[in-house]
Amino acid sequence: KQEVTQIPAALSVPEGENLVLNCSFTDSAIYNLQWFRQDPGKGLTSLLLIQSSQREQTSGRLNASLDKSSGRSTLYIAASQPGDSATYLCAVRPTGGGNKLTFGTGTQLKVEL
Amino acid sequence: GAVVSQHPSRVICKSGTSVKIECRSLDFQATTMFWYRQFPKQSLMLMATSNEGSKATYEQGVEKDKFLINHASLTLSTLTVTSAHPEDSSFYICSARAGTVNTEAFFGQGTRLTVV
Repeated sequence: KQEVTQIPAALSVPEGENLVLNCSFTDSAIYNLQWFRQDPGKGLTSLLLIQSSQREQTSGRLNASLDKSSGRSTLYIAASQPGDSATYLCAVRPTGGGNKLTFGTGTQLKVEL
Repeated sequence: GAVVSQHPSRVICKSGTSVKIECRSLDFQATTMFWYRQFPKQSLMLMATSNEGSKATYEQGVEKDKFLINHASLTLSTLTVTSAHPEDSSFYICSARAGTVNTEAFFGQGTRLTVV
């Protein structure tokens, strides 16, 4: 059974700092890994999707890496801003592109002025 | 990305009543829709998968008679929580996918259900 863990559970940083969020998964037989942002009481916004054959994806100030063999992914946020404050979730999709996304419990990020 | 709209965003109901939540794909045809449940400070848990025109597939431990899912068209799926109880209070999120299993799914805004 796939298990996804995110560390840290919560993080508070001053504005402008670069930061790294971690995601680990127990079963390396994944089709892809996705990072989402969730604002309080809201749905999910997809940030980056990395296919199993890829090592990283970049979008603006965000960079996500994937090391499938070690079961790890990181989300790097450069020059953090207060608007980045949210919960960040990673999710993995099993090999074969099956239906079930397994989500981590998230990292709650607060960027302070 | 594609837009998935969920309605209502918040609902409060009395214990014993039923509540219907709608999930619509606004600019694409969703062959498959997914319903998730999220408890406070916990991750999303898949409840069921529905394909248009067929019965939903429920995850282990999810009561199909309590959580009725209908996917009657390619743009609409509904989740009905029947005979709601306070323990059903949660955040429910749907996602929708077009095409094959290899395509990305897009998420709705979620519905906060409070049963009093």
